[in-house]
Amino acid sequence: DPKIIQKPKYLVAVTGSEKILICEQYLGHNAMYWYRQSAKKPLEFMFSYSYQKLMDNQTASSRFQPQSSKKNHLDLQITALKPDDSATYFCASSQERLGGREDTQYFGPGTRLLVL
Amino acid sequence: GEQVEQRPPHLSVREGDSAVITCTYTDPNSYYFFWYKQEPGASLQLLMKVFSSTEINEGQGFTVLLNKKDKRLSLNLTAAHPGDSAAYFCAVSYNNNAPRFGAGTKLSVKP
Repeated sequence: DPKIIQKPKYLVAVTGSEKILICEQYLGHNAMYWYRQSAKKPLEFMFSYSYQKLMDNQTASSRFQPQSSKKNHLDLQITALKPDDSATYFCASSQERLGGREDTQYFGPGTRLLVL
Repeated sequence: GEQVEQRPPHLSVREGDSAVITCTYTDPNSYYFFWYKQEPGASLQLLMKVFSSTEINEGQGFTVLLNKKDKRLSLNLTAAHPGDSAAYFCAVSYNNNAPRFGAGTKLSVKP
């Protein structure tokens, strides 16, 4: 059974629209992350959350808003979509915010977003 | 912040040859290092996590070397086979921040 679920697997959107990418993890982890992968920037860190609180934000645009309704959920809302937002978005999680000897990030399968 | 540079961006080797991928990092306080493998269309699969206290780490069919003095991390696939063809990413973690990734290396192993 998949331990990190990302929905949808594929997503096509029109420029200017708004979409929400879903991430749920069933590993009992307390920290969750979003990364973006595209041809221009192979793997780019976006956000990290720990116990549902934002810890690190490396995304300049406020169009990207993470939302954590439950400890094991970290969704990503993207507004005013642009073609440059086309990428694969990966959710990841770790037991605790990375710093402990045993902590490792595990990645979800990704959501491929195409903005036309 | 931490800067991670990964080389080469593309690597093509023959089956049975070795393949070496190298990452350099800037923050001397970095203490966790990771190598991930990503097959086409798939997610990232953790190959190995390395602590700063260990310089040589051996996995199945590969070795990871950490040179803290030069701030260099390398992945050496000792006898590559076609199933090793994938993208490989290093990642470096420091303080309590999320790991920063290298740009990736696309490895092609030809029979």
